Amino acid sequence: AQTVTQSQPEMSVQEAETVTLSCTYDTSESDYYLFWYKQPPSRQMILVIRQEAYKQQNATENRFSVNFQKAAKSFSLKISDSQLGDAAMYFCAYRSPNTGNQFYFGTGTSLTVIP
Amino acid sequence: GAVVSQHPSRVICKSGTSVKIECRSLDFQATTMFWYRQFPKKSLMLMATSNEGSKATYEQGVEKDKFLINHASLTLSTLTVTSAHPEDSSFYICSATGWETLAKNIQYFGAGTRLSVL
Repeated sequence: AQTVTQSQPEMSVQEAETVTLSCTYDTSESDYYLFWYKQPPSRQMILVIRQEAYKQQNATENRFSVNFQKAAKSFSLKISDSQLGDAAMYFCAYRSPNTGNQFYFGTGTSLTVIP
Repeated sequence: GAVVSQHPSRVICKSGTSVKIECRSLDFQATTMFWYRQFPKKSLMLMATSNEGSKATYEQGVEKDKFLINHASLTLSTLTVTSAHPEDSSFYICSATGWETLAKNIQYFGAGTRLSVL
């Protein structure tokens, strides 16, 4: 099975500043999907951003962007202009096209936003 | 994005009783639904994958007779925790994906159910 590693259990950022959350994965596949999900205190999992491996261009969604390095198997999330509402657990996820839509999740990074 | 509704959000039951949790896709056809269990401050642990109209596939170590999953329609899957015990107390989350553009290759999650077994 694919493994997804988030090496930062906790991160903090000052409001309005930028923070980068890291994610690496292990795979032998060439075509796959990567995701970042956010889980705020309500525990509702919310899709933040996704990236198709065949696309070289990094995905961007408003203040959220990724740095996808396919050769390095790295998929970091950058949050710009951090807001108090960004405080949450962030999970990186890998989807293989060969395992029936199954996702593999990292262990999560808890982000604190300091006012 | 697509909407997945999960009900109930919280349930408290006595040991030995059964509890049913529902997961519905509201605006797309969910060809595949997933059931996860999440412990405090931990990641999601996949329990089973269910495809509409077929038997669920359980992950290793998950008792299929204890956690009954039914995915009888393209918009509804249920998880029944049978003869619940205190160790089954946890946060259970469902997710769904489908072939429509809205939900293709993405898992959309329900809000979760907190189960407390007394």
